[in-house]
Amino acid sequence: DQQVKQNSPSLSVQEGRISILNCDYTNSMFDYFLWYKKYPAEGPTFLISISSIKDKNEDGRFTVFLNKSAKHLSLHIVPSQPGDSAVYFCAASPLYSGGGADGLTFGKGTHLIIQP
Amino acid sequence: DTAVSQTPKYLVTQMGNDKSIKCEQNLGHDTMYWYKQDSKKFLKIMFSYNNKELIINETVPNRFSPKSPDKAHLNLHINSLELGDSAVYFCASSQVDGDTQYFGPGTRLTVL
Repeated sequence: DQQVKQNSPSLSVQEGRISILNCDYTNSMFDYFLWYKKYPAEGPTFLISISSIKDKNEDGRFTVFLNKSAKHLSLHIVPSQPGDSAVYFCAASPLYSGGGADGLTFGKGTHLIIQP
Repeated sequence: DTAVSQTPKYLVTQMGNDKSIKCEQNLGHDTMYWYKQDSKKFLKIMFSYNNKELIINETVPNRFSPKSPDKAHLNLHINSLELGDSAVYFCASSQVDGDTQYFGPGTRLTVL
């Protein structure tokens, strides 16, 4: 049973345009959400996070939006650049997991392709 | 300077062998983790460990055991390797439980 879902396996966006990656979750205990970026043969790299007390967090070209009532978050990248081509993973955890018992729960990832 | 490092990057071995993957972090973090990314690309937690306790995902076979010689290291030992153990294994660390985790580059294990 997937608790974090990324329903788009891939997304193709033209350079300079906005990329929007979506993520849905089912576990109401999740309070902390993260996006990771992964290049082939490398480990996931932390990109941006948001806690449930906020509905938006911005860092440069990257903005994460959280709609807690809909259990939905999205990552906006604007403007998209060729170096943004990678697999993006959405992840979630209870903010205070009381021992790290569950680690992070990951979605399956979305492969973002930026076209010139 | 690499924050979270793993060795080896690739590991090819025969069924039934025992192998280890090493992980080191130089971030001064308190908690370390092991994840497995299977053929379907799902990243799943296997263990989390800090100096207080080890938390094991109940789905992980007891052939897998993490060993922490010190706070900066969490090695993964696998006994009696099986074909289904073939996957990419990622080590990660965080400052406190549940905080942002930083990942190593991964170790691709192939069991023949």
